[in-house]
Amino acid sequence: QQPVQSPQAVILREGEDAVINCSSSKALYSVHWYRQKHGEAPVFLMILLKGGEQKGHEKISASFNEKKQQSSLYLTASQLSYSGTYFCGTESGAGGTSYGKLTFGQGTILTVHP
Amino acid sequence: KAGVTQTPRYLIKTRGQQVTLSCSPISGHRSVSWYQQTPGQGLQFLFEYFSETQRNKGNFPGRFSGRQFSNSRSEMNVSTLELGDSALYLCASTELAGTYEQYFGPGTRLTVT
Repeated sequence: QQPVQSPQAVILREGEDAVINCSSSKALYSVHWYRQKHGEAPVFLMILLKGGEQKGHEKISASFNEKKQQSSLYLTASQLSYSGTYFCGTESGAGGTSYGKLTFGQGTILTVHP
Repeated sequence: KAGVTQTPRYLIKTRGQQVTLSCSPISGHRSVSWYQQTPGQGLQFLFEYFSETQRNKGNFPGRFSGRQFSNSRSEMNVSTLELGDSALYLCASTELAGTYEQYFGPGTRLTVT
């Protein structure tokens, strides 16, 4: 089952904050966040693992509620460069046992205006 | 380190033909995953290779196949192309240590006419 992202789209002015949510009906081991600009590859932002370990972008933060199988990505003081489509990818198997399979949400389109 | 590279970047084929796409992972990364991205279905997992072995496969027909070489480079093949195979095909490599994050290549845009 594909995780559900909300909202589907966000429009911001530079300097404003945004939160993107990712919710799954399955028990999760990890949540991966990516940003994709039009015509480009998805760029790794953040990974959150069950148990609290995180790794990722310095200026972006995220949370992972293991009980609710939900993750949120927090974009603060947005910049024009934050525009793009944000995807969460979820992994159900522990410690690499998903063997490369990430199940992605449908994406959230973020637009930052000057 | 150089990033993930994919060739070719763009490809136009006609229905019924077959196509082979190539992916070179980041140096030292031994796992390669393939995804199909379309506006309607989003990002969908095709398969994953490690040490020349397919360890996982998504829900795609047998027309989609792949392989991995001893240097970790990977290829995917689509036979008997259909119009619905038009998509961006992305590969991602993973180091298989630590947190298992995936790094994507720029993709191959396949158009089937």
